Amino acid sequence: DAKTTQPPSMDCAEGRAANLPCNHSTISGNEYVYWYRQIHSQGPQYIIHGLKNNETNEMASLIITEDRKSSTLILPHATLRDTAVYYCIVRGTLNYGGATNKLIFGTGTLLAVQP
Amino acid sequence: DTGVSQNPRHKITKRGQNVTFRCDPISEHNRLYWYRQTLGQGPEFLTYFQNEAQLEKSRLLSDRFSAERPKGSFSTLEIQRTEQGDSAMYLCASSSGQGVYEQFFGPGTRLTVL
Repeated sequence: DAKTTQPPSMDCAEGRAANLPCNHSTISGNEYVYWYRQIHSQGPQYIIHGLKNNETNEMASLIITEDRKSSTLILPHATLRDTAVYYCIVRGTLNYGGATNKLIFGTGTLLAVQP
Repeated sequence: DTGVSQNPRHKITKRGQNVTFRCDPISEHNRLYWYRQTLGQGPEFLTYFQNEAQLEKSRLLSDRFSAERPKGSFSTLEIQRTEQGDSAMYLCASSSGQGVYEQFFGPGTRLTVL
């Protein structure tokens, strides 16, 4: 699985968009970009994933560059409850029974949403 | 609440004691994972079950660690002869075998070895 690089920390004002970058320059063609977040003292929570196209769900948007070497997670209107560590993970999603599909976490980005 | 439960939530033990943690995954999920997380680090993969079969173990899982999932439902993780270095948060996750394999994590068991 490809490695990812994220800034260790970011600040964002409440109500503003939070844009969290991730570099994954060694990503291969069949690998997806996943984002999870971990609020203090809780288990990680799935946010969104994508392969090539931009994706949006009720939590966030994911913008993947055309060369797929980097991506940005966007929280459109950050709230205090979005303060968490955000993990960008690159992983193949294989559809045969033997695939483990384990997650390999880095140290993530600590997003601090300020009032 | 993701639907994955872990017990106990906290465990304090003395070095050399054995401890056992339990994970109850989402009932229809056939895949179950254990991870370990130390302070300031992301979770690290320990082991993976598909139904009752343990299909992958990390090198982090020394011979003092054993995990089971006897009927393909709940899972237990046992640590024998605990060491201070075992102090960590132990996380369990489950996923279905369909689609994007999103993993749903439990709240974790925090182990402190004195």
